[in-house]
Amino acid sequence: AQTVTQSQPEMSVQEAETVTLSCTYDTSESDYYLFWYKQPPSRQMILVIRQEAYKQQNATENRFSVNFQKAAKSFSLKISDSQLGDAAMYFCASSYGNTGKLIFGQGTTLQVKP
Amino acid sequence: SQTIHQWPATLVQPVGSPLSLECTVEGTSNPNLYWYRQAAGRGLQLLFYSVGIGQISSEVPQNLSASRPQDRQFILSSKKLLLSDSGFYLCAWRAGHSPNYGYTFGSGTRLTVV
Repeated sequence: AQTVTQSQPEMSVQEAETVTLSCTYDTSESDYYLFWYKQPPSRQMILVIRQEAYKQQNATENRFSVNFQKAAKSFSLKISDSQLGDAAMYFCASSYGNTGKLIFGQGTTLQVKP
Repeated sequence: SQTIHQWPATLVQPVGSPLSLECTVEGTSNPNLYWYRQAAGRGLQLLFYSVGIGQISSEVPQNLSASRPQDRQFILSSKKLLLSDSGFYLCAWRAGHSPNYGYTFGSGTRLTVV
């Protein structure tokens, strides 16, 4: 079974600084996908970034980047130049197979201080 | 473009009453469909998923059931609600043959059982 673990329930960062959110996962599959989702107070789930496990290159989307360590089963999210609008709960998730069950971690609440 | 609709947005129901939450997807065919529940401040728990009409897989045995009467329609039901059914319910879809395209979520239903 797939599991996803986020060990940081809460994090805070100063505006314009950089913060890294941690995530580890466990799977016996060789082909899988990893995601980071953002959930603001509106509770709408917003895709931040995704990574295919077969790709060695780390994904990047503007100020968001990941550090994908396949052997260590680690998938951390780095947010650069943090903005007040980045304050939200962030979820790490993984999926595999045709059914595509998306399994989530418990989430990390990010506070951005002005 | 593809869109996902989920309703109602908010629902207050007495214990023992029935439940029906509906989710529809537009602009695609044969999507994979998912129902999640989120307790306050917690991660998303996968309840049901469907890879085709009439095909329902349950992840967690409980007081709820799901149905997919049409290709792009996914319904979450209960015959008799329990207090523990309170939570935030999210519907999501994914292109069945393209796991790396990511998942799109509806805006959610906040259910309070009183």
